[in-house]
Amino acid sequence: EVQLVESGGGLVQPGRSMKLSCAASGFTFNNYDMAWVCQAPKKGLEWVATISYDGSSTYYRDSVKGRFTISRDNAKSTLYLQMDSLRSEDTATYYCARNKLSFFDYWGQGVMVTVSS
Amino acid sequence: DIVLTQSPALAVSLGQRATISCRASQSVSISRYNLMHWYQQKPGQQPKLLIYRASNLASGIPARFSGSGSGTDFTLTINPVQADDIATYYCQQSRESPPWTFGGGTKLELK
Repeated sequence: EVQLVESGGGLVQPGRSMKLSCAASGFTFNNYDMAWVCQAPKKGLEWVATISYDGSSTYYRDSVKGRFTISRDNAKSTLYLQMDSLRSEDTATYYCARNKLSFFDYWGQGVMVTVSS
Repeated sequence: DIVLTQSPALAVSLGQRATISCRASQSVSISRYNLMHWYQQKPGQQPKLLIYRASNLASGIPARFSGSGSGTDFTLTINPVQADDIATYYCQQSRESPPWTFGGGTKLELK
């Protein structure tokens, strides 16, 4: 059974950093691209970043370029999102998702990130 | 970026057909591939893949869900609607990615 379990969220002040993790199991992690998708409170889904199966390529939405870094450790089957210079508009639930070809076929339960002073 | 437009809400009676539409700002089809996908999200839960590439049912999804469309206009149909189907439905395109973009979501409500 495919499982994606996020961790690392919480309350953080504007301008500070936070690192999210996503532990994957039930599939061969290093065969798949992975992604982070966020959802602000009461809002829709927004793709944040994607990393290729081997970590050689990364892609970001414009609003997080230069502030967020997606990475992975295939030996640990874990995906990461390093979030720096956080802003109030980054407040959202962040989902880890398996990026199969062109869609997202499995999602984690999500982790809430609140950016507030 | 390709913008996907969905109606905010749709009211339906149990046992009836629900048709949820998604319109793209430009074609999301390449050759025979229609790069539009559909997700269901219930309150407090993560999204779930329902349909991929416009008309392919994801694993474990009941056959009362179906998808159709090409070019810029796509439809998710639920027939018949059951109580468990009350949720918000999102379309997502991958014709031009990144960025992968989602529609604003359609909240399916009971009449």
